[in-house]
Amino acid sequence: DAGVIQSPRHEVTEMGQEVTLRCKPISGHNSLFWYRQTMMRGLELLIYFNNNVPIDDSGMPEDRFSAKMPNASFSTLKIQPSEPRDSAVYFCASSLDRVSPLHFGNGTRLTVT
Amino acid sequence: AQSVTQLDSQVPVFEEAPVELRCNYSSSVSVYLFWYVQYPNQGLQLLLKYLSGSTLVKGINGFEAEFNKSQTSFHLRKPSVHISDTAEYFCAVSGDTDKLIFGTGTRLQVFP
Repeated sequence: DAGVIQSPRHEVTEMGQEVTLRCKPISGHNSLFWYRQTMMRGLELLIYFNNNVPIDDSGMPEDRFSAKMPNASFSTLKIQPSEPRDSAVYFCASSLDRVSPLHFGNGTRLTVT
Repeated sequence: AQSVTQLDSQVPVFEEAPVELRCNYSSSVSVYLFWYVQYPNQGLQLLLKYLSGSTLVKGINGFEAEFNKSQTSFHLRKPSVHISDTAEYFCAVSGDTDKLIFGTGTRLQVFP
């Protein structure tokens, strides 16, 4: 398996623009997670899905952030409009079940100027 | 709700010396505990996990961790570190849901 695939690897955009981050989880994994990593706040869980259904989105910072999982092999995290404080590395991860390890993608480094 | 505290943000150590990275957790339910490692410009990888049974857990790259319920700790140890162990290490906990909560990380810097 190719592992969790995220795109793009790097994204540079201007404040106010819409940003869409994409994730393809490992085939057969039932849970998908979106994390954000910054120096100040470390690794924060934004939202996670189980069987394509959002279970907990309490970590989504505000209404500018939205996430979807239309099918078992694809998820998106959208920021509209983007702001400089959204600059971070965004990770997608998937797992088979609660006791199985998370498999992380290589992340998308977002820079909002 | 669960939470994780990693007491040391940075740990410098010389090559071939032993190291311990500290992790304490809090939870009102039974927990599953994990250590992950992150190399530069990469996602996190699992080092080891505790689900149940023996409190001493062995992982990859010579690392081990001990679950101590009375002290609510899950410290990571390695008897002799290598330059290649330089990375960020994250302790994580999950409980009765799929939600995995990470600590703030400890940067291990190994010097020659």
